[in-house]
Amino acid sequence: EPEVTQTPSHQVTQMGQEVILRCVPISNHLYFYWYRQILGQKVEFLVSFYNNEISEKSEIFDDQFSVERPDGSNFTLKIRSTKLEDSAMYFCASSGVFSYEQYFGPGTRLTVT
Amino acid sequence: AQTVTQSQPEMSVQEAETVTLSCTYDTSENNYYLFWYKQPPSRQMILVIRQEAYKQQNATENRFSVNFQKAAKSFSLKISDSQLGDTAMYFCAFMATYKYIFGTGTRLKVLA
Repeated sequence: EPEVTQTPSHQVTQMGQEVILRCVPISNHLYFYWYRQILGQKVEFLVSFYNNEISEKSEIFDDQFSVERPDGSNFTLKIRSTKLEDSAMYFCASSGVFSYEQYFGPGTRLTVT
Repeated sequence: AQTVTQSQPEMSVQEAETVTLSCTYDTSENNYYLFWYKQPPSRQMILVIRQEAYKQQNATENRFSVNFQKAAKSFSLKISDSQLGDTAMYFCAFMATYKYIFGTGTRLKVLA
């Protein structure tokens, strides 16, 4: 069964450093998403992406964040200058054109020290 | 604004018993979708069950079923014959446009 994959599974970085979280969505999906879950809290929407453009973004998704689909398979989330409060689990998800259901990856745990 | 509320932060149930987790939501949309996700300690998000708002029939997946009350904007999850492996965090989620809105979760513990 096709699945969404994410790398790395765990990333530790120092405050102020740039990080790139990578996702490989399901191959025939066209909608891509990033969500964030701070430890002990709910999962929060960050951004949706379709046709090489951001479709929607939340208030969390400020200028420090960017997304990109650099090739036909990867979907990345970049945080330019990480803060302690960026420590969280980051989930990538994808969905097909005629499907409302989003398929989640296993997540990347980001720790900012 | 669309919101999802889970009013039970923690629940416990004896193995083999039945438990119901509550979820309410608020929206002005008429067409939308509702989901229950399970999050074990690994923190992977696992889809448990889905419900389309236009369907009157409640969804069922093996031991999991929902009670969807559209007028009351309620979407509860019933777990029958609870198993130790059901111990996890459970999140209710709503989708109208292309994003999910999650509730704050209910931590379920199944007791042996």
